Amino acid sequence: DVKVTQSSRYLVKRTGEKVFLECVQDMDHENMFWYRQDPGLGLRLIYFSYDVKMKEKGDIPEGYSVSREKKERFSLILESASTNQTSMYLCASSLRGDQPQHFGDGTRLSIL
Amino acid sequence: GQNIDQPTEMTATEGAIVQINCTYQTSGFNGLFWYQQHAGEAPTFLSYNVLDGLEEKGRFSSFLSRSKGYSYLLLKELQMKDSASYLCAVRDRSYGGSQGNLIFGKGTKLSVKP
Repeated sequence: DVKVTQSSRYLVKRTGEKVFLECVQDMDHENMFWYRQDPGLGLRLIYFSYDVKMKEKGDIPEGYSVSREKKERFSLILESASTNQTSMYLCASSLRGDQPQHFGDGTRLSIL
Repeated sequence: GQNIDQPTEMTATEGAIVQINCTYQTSGFNGLFWYQQHAGEAPTFLSYNVLDGLEEKGRFSSFLSRSKGYSYLLLKELQMKDSASYLCAVRDRSYGGSQGNLIFGKGTKLSVKP
């Protein structure tokens, strides 16, 4: 079974802090994704990566950056956290585009 | 543009059959996924259609008509544990990178009553 592990289930941070969300997958998948999920808005793509060192912006990259130094790890960084970044963050990975994405359990992030 | 529509909420009775519809408009359709998401949990993969027709997997079936931009997820012999949100996601080769990323609908919240 594919395992996608996110470092925290719940996280509370303060406005202006730099926040790191970590995601690790154990199936040697090429593709990794970061989404946020908000009520009424569904899943929105923040950043994605098809290979190590590669990253591309999704629909809502503002205020975020990512890092993929190793194939199995994809990190999401909130450069200076703001209250409108309070959300559920989901990491996913897939072998190829025509294969299903497998999701981590999510990180519920609150910015106070 | 890209657009995916599915009903916001549905209610059904335990033991019954329910059909959740999804219509889409995309410029580079390249497959459709259905996911199940229980409250507070991650989405889990249910089915994938890339050609027209019906894919059956136990109590769940998914249908696709590419000419109509339409899919449905059929759940038979409903159980209480089927209460969840069901997400329709279209793979669009013109969206995102070279492999075509997924565009998700907002999800249909299904409530199964005794």
